[in-house]
Amino acid sequence: SYGLTQPPSVSVSPGQTASITCSGDQLGDKYPSWYQQKPGQSPVLVIYQDNKRPSGIPERFSGSKSGNTATLTISGTQALDEANYYCQAWDTRTALFGGGTKLTVL
Amino acid sequence: EVQLVESGGGLVQSGGSLRLSCAASGFTFSTFVMSWVRQAPGKGLEWVSDISHNGAAIYYADSVKGRFTFSRDNSKNTLSLQMNSLRAEDTAVYYCAREDCSGETCHFDYWGQGTLVTVSS
Repeated sequence: SYGLTQPPSVSVSPGQTASITCSGDQLGDKYPSWYQQKPGQSPVLVIYQDNKRPSGIPERFSGSKSGNTATLTISGTQALDEANYYCQAWDTRTALFGGGTKLTVL
Repeated sequence: EVQLVESGGGLVQSGGSLRLSCAASGFTFSTFVMSWVRQAPGKGLEWVSDISHNGAAIYYADSVKGRFTFSRDNSKNTLSLQMNSLRAEDTAVYYCAREDCSGETCHFDYWGQGTLVTVSS
C-alpha cells in the first residue's frame, strides 16, 4: 500500500535552516501538505499544495518538491518551531500521513 | 472565527460502541468537506473518514470500514461519528477537521481540539 516516509527526527541550531523530507511513490504527481503539532495541541497547517503558506504562517516556512520527495524548510529556525511535523497527501480518496518528524532546536 | 468542537469521547469496553460529535461554527458549514483524523497515544496522525458537503459521498480508512459511520446534519452544523465494534487499537484522540478543497487536492485547514476515546480490553 502507498506510504509516506519521513525521518523520525531532525535537529537544528537556533537561527539555522531545518529541512524535513517526505518521500513516497508518485508523490511528484500529488500535492503534499505539511502540519505542525506541538505537544498537547492540535495540528496546524503550515504548507499546502506543495508550497503555499496559509495566512498567519511565518515566511520562514516554505515547501518544495523534487521528483517524489517533498521538503519542508524552516529558515532561521526559532525555539518555538520545535514540534512534530507531518506531511500528508491523497491516494485514491484516502488521506495519508507520513510518520512524523520530531524537530529539535538545540 | 472557525471553531470545531468535538465531544463524546470516553472509556468503553472492547466490542462496545461510542458516538462522537463535532459542532462547527464560524463558516458556511454546508459547503465544506469534513474529516475525522485520529492519533493514538504517542503515535502519528491517521485519517479515519471524510464526508462530502452534502453527505452524499463518504469515504473510510480500511481500518474502520464497516465499523464506523460518518454523518452530518447541515441544519445543525454538526458531524457525528458512530463507532461500533470498538477495538483496543481504536484508542486515540479523535479530531474533526475541515477540508479546504481547491483545484486537484484538499488539505486540512482547521482542526478541533480533539476528544479522547479509550477502548479497554
